[in-house]
Amino acid sequence: AQKITQTQPGMFVQEKEAVTLDCTYDTSDQSYGLFWYKQPSSGEMIFLIYQGSYDEQNATEGRYSLNFQKARKSANLVISASQLGDSAMYFCAIGRGGSNYKLTFGKGTLLTVNP
Amino acid sequence: EPEVTQTPSHQVTQMGQEVILRCVPISNHLYFYWYRQILGQKVEFLVSFYNNEISEKSEIFDDQFSVERPDGSNFTLKIRSTKLEDSAMYFCASSERRALQRVGTQYFGPGTRLLVL
Repeated sequence: AQKITQTQPGMFVQEKEAVTLDCTYDTSDQSYGLFWYKQPSSGEMIFLIYQGSYDEQNATEGRYSLNFQKARKSANLVISASQLGDSAMYFCAIGRGGSNYKLTFGKGTLLTVNP
Repeated sequence: EPEVTQTPSHQVTQMGQEVILRCVPISNHLYFYWYRQILGQKVEFLVSFYNNEISEKSEIFDDQFSVERPDGSNFTLKIRSTKLEDSAMYFCASSERRALQRVGTQYFGPGTRLLVL
């Protein structure tokens, strides 16, 4: 079984500052993927970034980067230069390797960006 | 950019009624999924679908639920006799094939908010 733990129910950050959202995971699979999704108040789930268990480099996508520490089983999301539009719920998720898999989500972190 | 679409965006139904939620996955994707999110809670997996059959389903996905790909583009979730606790946001997702050790990203639709009265 796979599990995601997000220990920060809510986070606050000032506009233009960086913020780190924590995610730890548990899995017995050797091959897996870690994902971050953003859910604004409108409700849709927006894919942000992906990290494969065999990837040696940390993933980056624009202002998003993933701090992947495999030995610690953590996959923290770093958002640089926060914007007001970043205010949303952020979910970390894990899926096992291969084409067909289910995603297991954490409970999420509500990020508020203050002007 | 290709995206997953879902209809309707909102559905209100009476307890015991049947509902069908519709999804159009991204056109070159082969794997399809349904998830649900009860208000204020985390997203939960319901079912995955590939090659016209269910690959995996969760314990939530009981006999009241069914999925179908009636044509080359639509993917549907049917709830036969809705209960109050079925009220949730239902997300459809799709992903493309990946090599064995890679994990294909699942792209989500905007969701259908179902309210059972």
